[in-house]
Amino acid sequence: NAGVTQTPKFRVLKTGQSMTLLCAQDMNHEYMYWYRQDPGMGLRLIHYSVGEGTTAKGEVPDGYNVSRLKKQNFLLGLESAAPSQTSVYFCASQGFYEQYFGPGTRLTVT
Amino acid sequence: GQQVMQIPQYQHVQEGEDFTTYCNSSTTLSNIQWYKQRPGGHPVFLIQLVKSGEVKKQKRLTFQFGEAKKNSSLHITATQTTDVGTYFCAGLQAGTALIFGKGTTLSVSS
Repeated sequence: NAGVTQTPKFRVLKTGQSMTLLCAQDMNHEYMYWYRQDPGMGLRLIHYSVGEGTTAKGEVPDGYNVSRLKKQNFLLGLESAAPSQTSVYFCASQGFYEQYFGPGTRLTVT
Repeated sequence: GQQVMQIPQYQHVQEGEDFTTYCNSSTTLSNIQWYKQRPGGHPVFLIQLVKSGEVKKQKRLTFQFGEAKKNSSLHITATQTTDVGTYFCAGLQAGTALIFGKGTTLSVSS
């Protein structure tokens, strides 16, 4: 039982490049979330999903897109990366009420 | 929009001293959750409080939910070096996703 996994762990992008972050959970959870964490800013919600095929915007959705084609996977895409998107990205899935977080992806955009 | 404020942002204590972090919401919450993030790690769920005035204990940690369900606190008695990390509160208002505070980072010197 791996819990929540994230791929990749680290990534460096140049401004304007695109990439996809993958989140996978093996707990059969319906709800999944993408957060970004910046120093002194806590965890800010980017997008979330309440089930397969559904997505919704969070607090800071601009510049990101998401897809939930399969229940166990939640993908976060950056179409044209900007230096302001340098951050640590956490994915989480929700059990009965608590959230289980993945180990995070550290993204640097130069 | 809904905001969850957390103070202090940083706290340094000597091992054995007590520590308290406070969380305040601009709106009434359905429940409040607390998470701990060790340095370099990911947030881990600690507890959820639901009822007005609720108090829960986990060993040296005491969690309280205010009577008006707008504030909460986490108190650690006799801190240990294993308590270091960032403590986040996260509030849920009906119909919205969980909103995280910016966290309190605790450092402990022995």
